[in-house]
Amino acid sequence: DTAVSQTPKYLVTQMGNDKSIKCEQNLGHDTMYWYKQDSKKFLKIMFSYNNKELIINETVPNRFSPKSPDKAHLNLHINSLELGDSAVYFCASSQLGTGSYNEQFFGPGTRLTVL
Amino acid sequence: AQSVSQHNHHVILSEAASLELGCNYSYGGTVNLFWYVQYPGQHLQLLLKYFSGDPLVKGIKGFEAEFIKSKFSFNLRKPSVQWSDTAEYFCAVNAGTGRRALTFGSGTRLQVQP
Repeated sequence: DTAVSQTPKYLVTQMGNDKSIKCEQNLGHDTMYWYKQDSKKFLKIMFSYNNKELIINETVPNRFSPKSPDKAHLNLHINSLELGDSAVYFCASSQLGTGSYNEQFFGPGTRLTVL
Repeated sequence: AQSVSQHNHHVILSEAASLELGCNYSYGGTVNLFWYVQYPGQHLQLLLKYFSGDPLVKGIKGFEAEFIKSKFSFNLRKPSVQWSDTAEYFCAVNAGTGRRALTFGSGTRLQVQP
């Protein structure tokens, strides 16, 4: 059983379009994350939700809007896509709380290509 | 703010050579430290982690890392690499407990030649 899954795995789209990426985890974790990996492989946090509450919102254009319908799902919607949005987007989850160490489990990634 | 430095950007080794990848972080408090590996075209997998206790931690596939608090370092080692170790390696830090994401280093690309 896949612990953290993302759909789609590949996404090719035109500039200006709106697209969504979905993430689901079956680990029972209370916290989920979106990371962006650029062409140089650098990974950077974008957002994090804990129990459906937004707890991390890094400097990301407001064209990016995360949504967490429940603890097991965290979706990422991107409006008006730009060339610079091309990257691999990774979802991750972890269990936070007293005494936790925030070991994160990653999904397979979504490779977004904006033409 | 915490930051992580990986000074080796690209390392090329022959099979059976020993490996050491450097990782330094900047944060004065309690940290949790991780090494992740990303094989070509795949997602990140945890190699090993340090939370507390013995500063020498052993991970999967024969990897180990040593936490040296005085040097703010968490270097990754393997005595004898294999071709299948070819991958990107990321060091990551989480500043203690709390609602914080991981801060990643820029990664080290390891290429092992048969």
